[in-house]
Amino acid sequence: AQRVTQPEKLLSVFKGAPVELKCNYSYSGSPELFWYVQYSRQRLQLLLRHISRESIKGFTADLNKGETSFHLKKPFAQEEDSAMYYCALANFGNEKLTFGTGTRLTIIP
Amino acid sequence: EPEVTQTPSHQVTQMGQEVILRCVPISNHLYFYWYRQILGQKVEFLVSFYNNEISEKSEIFDDQFSVERPDGSNFTLKIRSTKLEDSAMYFCASSVRTGGLGYTFGSGTRLTVV
Repeated sequence: AQRVTQPEKLLSVFKGAPVELKCNYSYSGSPELFWYVQYSRQRLQLLLRHISRESIKGFTADLNKGETSFHLKKPFAQEEDSAMYYCALANFGNEKLTFGTGTRLTIIP
Repeated sequence: EPEVTQTPSHQVTQMGQEVILRCVPISNHLYFYWYRQILGQKVEFLVSFYNNEISEKSEIFDDQFSVERPDGSNFTLKIRSTKLEDSAMYFCASSVRTGGLGYTFGSGTRLTVV
């Protein structure tokens, strides 16, 4: 069975400090990994996907198959980064997303 | 930018009543989904729908639940006889292709069963 684990429910970081949101997964096939963000009272939005290897709003995430991790990182946190962040996994070619429990990131001014 | 629209944003219903949650997916999308999030818990997959039929459903999606695309634009989730534990945020999503790449989520309907 596939599973996504986000060990931190809450994370507080000072503005300008580095951010790392942890995500580990268990899956036997070739997973697709994603990070979704939910700002206050807004919808879930796709932030990053591992296959595109892009940087969005200064965030990056590298898939580490050896450690089965897909941690989200940003070198300098900004106040507008405060939100709920969800790591998610999909079977390649399948439709279903499996989400982690989410991490609420708070940036302290 | 095209959006997935969900109505209502909040619905309160009595236990045992039927509810219909409505979604208007993005017009050229072919795959449709419902997810739910019980307060404080993770977002969970309920069902996917393609070519006018359910393509996958989770164990949560029992006989009390049904989905329909009645008129080519709306995508509805019906809960036949609501229970207290059905209280959750329900998210609709649509995608132009299979897999998580092209998902667009709606803003959700908060269902409260009293």
